[in-house]
Amino acid sequence: DTAVSQTPKYLVTQMGNDKSIKCEQNLGHDTMYWYKQDSKKFLKIMFSYNNKELIINETVPNRFSPKSPDKAHLNLHINSLELGDSAVYFCASSQGRSPGELFFGEGSRLTVL
Amino acid sequence: KQEVTQIPAALSVPEGENLVLNCSFTDSAIYNLQWFRQDPGKGLTSLLLIQSSQREQTSGRLNASLDKSSGRSTLYIAASQPGDSATYLCAVNGGSEKLVFGKGTKLTVNP
Repeated sequence: DTAVSQTPKYLVTQMGNDKSIKCEQNLGHDTMYWYKQDSKKFLKIMFSYNNKELIINETVPNRFSPKSPDKAHLNLHINSLELGDSAVYFCASSQGRSPGELFFGEGSRLTVL
Repeated sequence: KQEVTQIPAALSVPEGENLVLNCSFTDSAIYNLQWFRQDPGKGLTSLLLIQSSQREQTSGRLNASLDKSSGRSTLYIAASQPGDSATYLCAVNGGSEKLVFGKGTKLTVNP
């Protein structure tokens, strides 16, 4: 069983569209994250949720809206996609608010044309 | 603001060689430090987690050390194999609920 799973793995869309990426973890962790990895492979945190509560929101445009229906799921919705949104988005989870060992999904590669 | 630097950006070695990857951080007030491995097109896999009170951690052929006072960590890989080829990332947790990542070292182990 995959510990942290993301869907879709690949997403190609036009500028201006709205898209969502879903993430689920079956590790029983209480904290989930979204990270963005840009074309230079630099990994940077976007959001973090602990028990469905938003605890980190890193200077991310309002077009990005995370939603956590329960502590096992964290989805990312992006409105009005722009070319600069093209990246790989990684979901991760850990136990506790201050991350110990982090478990990552395989990433969702978003390409905006 | 915490900054994490990894040198070199890329490293190519022959199979069987022992090697060291370096990670430095600017703020020594850290909670823990993790080393990850990333294979092309894949997510990150946690290799070793060192708490701020620890000096090193070992897992198989991997050994990670931490020197908080100098703001440095090293990942030692013994008897490297082609399957070790990947990008290795270092990430520092300053206790602010988020990790700060370095840009990684791309390792190629040649048969």
